[in-house]
Amino acid sequence: QKEVEQDPGPLSVPEGAIVSLNCTYSNSAFQYFMWYRQYSRKGPELLMYTYSSGNKEDGRFTAQVDKSSKYISLFIRDSQPSDSATYLCAMNSGGSNYKLTFGKGTLLTVNP
Amino acid sequence: NAGVTQTPKFQVLKTGQSMTLQCAQDMNHNSMYWYRQDPGMGLRLIYYSASEGTTDKGEVPNGYNVSRLNKREFSLRLESAAPSQTSVYFCASSDYVNGYTFGSGTRLTVV
Repeated sequence: QKEVEQDPGPLSVPEGAIVSLNCTYSNSAFQYFMWYRQYSRKGPELLMYTYSSGNKEDGRFTAQVDKSSKYISLFIRDSQPSDSATYLCAMNSGGSNYKLTFGKGTLLTVNP
Repeated sequence: NAGVTQTPKFQVLKTGQSMTLQCAQDMNHNSMYWYRQDPGMGLRLIYYSASEGTTDKGEVPNGYNVSRLNKREFSLRLESAAPSQTSVYFCASSDYVNGYTFGSGTRLTVV
């Protein structure tokens, strides 16, 4: 079993839809969870950063962590064509472990 | 602009040629990383440097070497390029607190 599993998609939705992106993980030591957005032919950029369980909201984006289920989600409300990108989850156990473990990414297309 | 700068942006090599990918960050980050990204494989860590003066192997180090020249710069060298090293290479840096900052990537083709 891979440490981090992420459905690669592709996922195609109409503009205005609510999008749900998910990752599961197997390492119970993971405490820091991130979502990166990568536009075509660009480097990944940090979108959301959460610690431990719970929700974090930033504008149209909500990151959710359920450590008991080893499951994290990113919700995008009122999706826009500009949200079309690959979304990668990433996580680590913190402290001296600074290396991130990435999911393979989900390709999202939001159609006008 | 603050961030991570990678050079070159594109490169075509012949099998057996060598080259060095350059990476520099101006955010005073301690840690730096080299990844390759291939379709269906996601980001795979090649080498990383936790701090100036240290380097360690990642998931796919074979065929590569690195040098942490100083706190700002971390280079990746391909001594004898192979077609299997055709990929997009990303450099990143981190301060342990705010996640990674990635460069814009180097698209390398080995023919």
